[in-house]
Amino acid sequence: DGGITQSPKYLFRKEGQNVTLSCEQNLNHDAMYWYRQDPGQGLRLIYYSQIVNDFQKGDIAEGYSVSREKKESFPLTVTSAQKNPTAFYLCASSNSDSGGEKLFFGSGTQLSVL
Amino acid sequence: QQPVQSPQAVILREGEDAVINCSSSKALYSVHWYRQKHGEAPVFLMILLKGGEQKGHDKISASFNEKKQQSSLYLTASQLSYSGTYFCGTSPNTGNQFYFGTGTSLTVIP
Repeated sequence: DGGITQSPKYLFRKEGQNVTLSCEQNLNHDAMYWYRQDPGQGLRLIYYSQIVNDFQKGDIAEGYSVSREKKESFPLTVTSAQKNPTAFYLCASSNSDSGGEKLFFGSGTQLSVL
Repeated sequence: QQPVQSPQAVILREGEDAVINCSSSKALYSVHWYRQKHGEAPVFLMILLKGGEQKGHDKISASFNEKKQQSSLYLTASQLSYSGTYFCGTSPNTGNQFYFGTGTSLTVIP
């Protein structure tokens, strides 16, 4: 079955540590996204990528980094510069760079700070 | 550019109707609606692309007023399975940078 796989489901970060969240899709989608979700808030865009080897910052990119070396993969690194990383992270993809294409979401990663 | 949703929360009894509104300060190209159960991924409900467009799926429908830069989601004869948080997502142009609202928590009770 086609879909988006995020791993791990739960992740704990120590102070000063970088952690990487995995996102893989087998939908052959060009566009991929990372969103952060905090309780009581909507989904806020961290980074998005419309094509391999290219990505753009969203509204809250500070303290995060991404790469898009393969079409199917869009990992997110939460760096030590992100002082409040505890949140639910969602990866998504869409078929094209048109605003008319629906998003397919992964099941999310809950990141917590130890 | 984050759209504003209202109400923030609503509690319904089975069979009652609800309306969730989504408005933007910017002109909109498209409006998306998603539903999310706690701890799960948001699930796509529908997209509206043209002003005046209305869509429906079972007892859930939506409208898009392009001039007013707003969309409404209508849930009729609500079922227990409708419980969750509803998000609207908006795109100001044909690019794919979506902005999501803060969500509306909907709880259906027997």
